[in-house]
Amino acid sequence: SAVISQKPSRDICQRGTSLTIQCQVDSQVTMMFWYRQQPGQSLTLIATANQGSEATYESGFVIDKFPISRPNLTFSTLTVSNMSPEDSSIYLCSVEDQGSNTEAFFGQGTRLTVV
Amino acid sequence: AQSVTQPDIHITVSEGASLELRCNYSYGATPYLFWYVQSPGQGLQLLLKYFSGDTLVQGIKGFEAEFKRSQSSFNLRKPSVHWSDAAEYFCAVGTGVTGGGNKLTFGTGTQLKVEL
Repeated sequence: SAVISQKPSRDICQRGTSLTIQCQVDSQVTMMFWYRQQPGQSLTLIATANQGSEATYESGFVIDKFPISRPNLTFSTLTVSNMSPEDSSIYLCSVEDQGSNTEAFFGQGTRLTVV
Repeated sequence: AQSVTQPDIHITVSEGASLELRCNYSYGATPYLFWYVQSPGQGLQLLLKYFSGDTLVQGIKGFEAEFKRSQSSFNLRKPSVHWSDAAEYFCAVGTGVTGGGNKLTFGTGTQLKVEL
């Protein structure tokens, strides 16, 4: 199984600023995903981070608000731009199990509070 | 598009009692189904998964789930709940397509409370 490290684990940010969240995996993975979990709600897929090309965003999410980088097969970043209190959420990185392609592993998440 | 429904937002059971958490899914093809648990301040931990074969799957921590295609359900069960099982439980469906990865659609979650 993959071990995923996310940084920071939590942060409190001022509205209008941006925060970049890092996701580091201990092995090379093909597929990396970013999810958002708003307070008291379920997880929603933001985008698929593609290595060597632009991320693929889900409906309701745009690159200008959530730019994503994927420079190699073990690392990705998600930036939450021009933050507002509505962006307060837990952001989770996920990777696909390379062995079976049938399981996703999750990082511990980044708890973001925007004030 | 795939979707997942978890009808019960909150469930309270007594320690030692049996548990069943409901999950219904909507997906055009054979689904890849998962149950995850999220404890307070923790990430998501996979309890079990189904993608083919025996429709009754065993997971970690004594949990099991049964896939019923006719009912589009994948209910999670445990015969005897422990206080440490108090957490939020998420059912999810994935595409399971190589190259498309496991883009997961999650249910809204069921918060389990265990009374001592």
